[in-house]
Order: sequence, then C-alpha cells, then structure tokens
Amino acid sequence: AQSVTQPDIHITVSEGASLELRCNYSYGATPYLFWYVQSPGQGLQLLLKYFSGDTLVQGIKGFEAEFKRSQSSFNLRKPSVHWSDAAEYFCAVVTNNAGNMLTFGGGTRLMVKP
Amino acid sequence: GAGVSQSPSNKVTEKGKDVELRCDPISGHTALYWYRQRLGQGLEFLIYFQGNSAPDKSGLPSDRFSAERTGESVSTLTIQRTQQEDSAVYLCASSLEVRRAEQYFGPGTRLTVT
Repeated sequence: AQSVTQPDIHITVSEGASLELRCNYSYGATPYLFWYVQSPGQGLQLLLKYFSGDTLVQGIKGFEAEFKRSQSSFNLRKPSVHWSDAAEYFCAVVTNNAGNMLTFGGGTRLMVKP
Repeated sequence: GAGVSQSPSNKVTEKGKDVELRCDPISGHTALYWYRQRLGQGLEFLIYFQGNSAPDKSGLPSDRFSAERTGESVSTLTIQRTQQEDSAVYLCASSLEVRRAEQYFGPGTRLTVT
C-alpha cells in the first residue's frame, strides 16, 4: 500500500535559520507529490507540487522542495524562516490515478523561536 | 468567492443525531473530495466526486456516512446517528478536473459529538 512518512512530528527553529522538513513516500509508480501548510484554524494551502521534469520545484512563500527518486524523498526547504511560517506542514502523494485522491503524511508541526 | 467554502464552520451535536456538512467548490471545478482530520491523526480520504457521481466511496468509514453532489456544484456529507469517534475536522477540496491533481481546500467544518 502507498504511504507517506514525515519522520519529524515537531521541529523548532530560530527565526532566520534554515529549514528542512523531511518526507518519504512508498509508491510504485511515478508519483505526484505535494506540500501543504495548515495554519491554526485554517484549511490546507498548497505550497508546491511535483509532477515531472525538474526535480527542484519552487513554491510560494519562499519554499522549495527536491524530488529524489533514489531516496523516495521529497523534502521541503526554506533558507530563512519567518515567524509567520509557524504552522503544520503536510506532505502528500496522489495514490490513485483514476481518482487522484491524496494520501497524507502525519504532518510536521513547525515552531519558530524569536 | 474565489475559494472553496464550507458550512457550518463549527458544529456541536449530541450522540445519535444526524448532521449535514456542506461544501461549495470553486466554480467550474468538476472534481470534489472529502477528507477527515481527527485530532492527533492524519488526514484520511473519505469520498470523491467526478461531476455528480462518486466512483470511489471506499474511504467512507461506515454506512452511517453518505455524500451527494448536485449540479456539479454543492456537495453534502451526511453522518447519521453520530458517534463520539466521528468528532473531527471535515475538509472539502476541489480540483479543476480529476486528471488535474492539484486540490484546493476549504477551511473545514469542526464537528464535535458530545
């Protein structure tokens, strides 16, 4: 069965520091991969997506992610974190090409220290 | 409104009562998805619609759950005889079409069963 793993449940970084959130997937075919962010009391906002092509993808709010097929990973990065980035981040993969429903990782809660 | 909207934003109900949750997708989006986010757990897929039909209902947790969509627009998720384990945030998402995997989420409905 397809699955998505986010190994870090909580991460705390200082404002201005760099950030990397890990995501590993288990999926036989070429995946469609996504990162979403959820601020408290809000829905999910799409940060970026990978369908094919260039393995380094740029998203909104200064985020980027790199698809590494050999490692089955799609890690999210940001060079300098802002206090407003504090939120929960979800990695997701499309698991059914017919319906394209998303399978989500368990999420990583990011806290930002001043 | 440009985004996906859901109503109500919060719903408190007594165990055994029926509830209806509503989703208004982005105009022109033919695909609509329902997910559930329980406290301390990840997001899980419930059902999706292509137009007004639901090709995959495999995610519905029990026969107490049903959903319909009319006019290729509004969808209603109905939970009959609610149980405490139904307490969760119910998220709706829409996509331009099923083949286009990008899904845009609403703010969710927080359901509390007492």
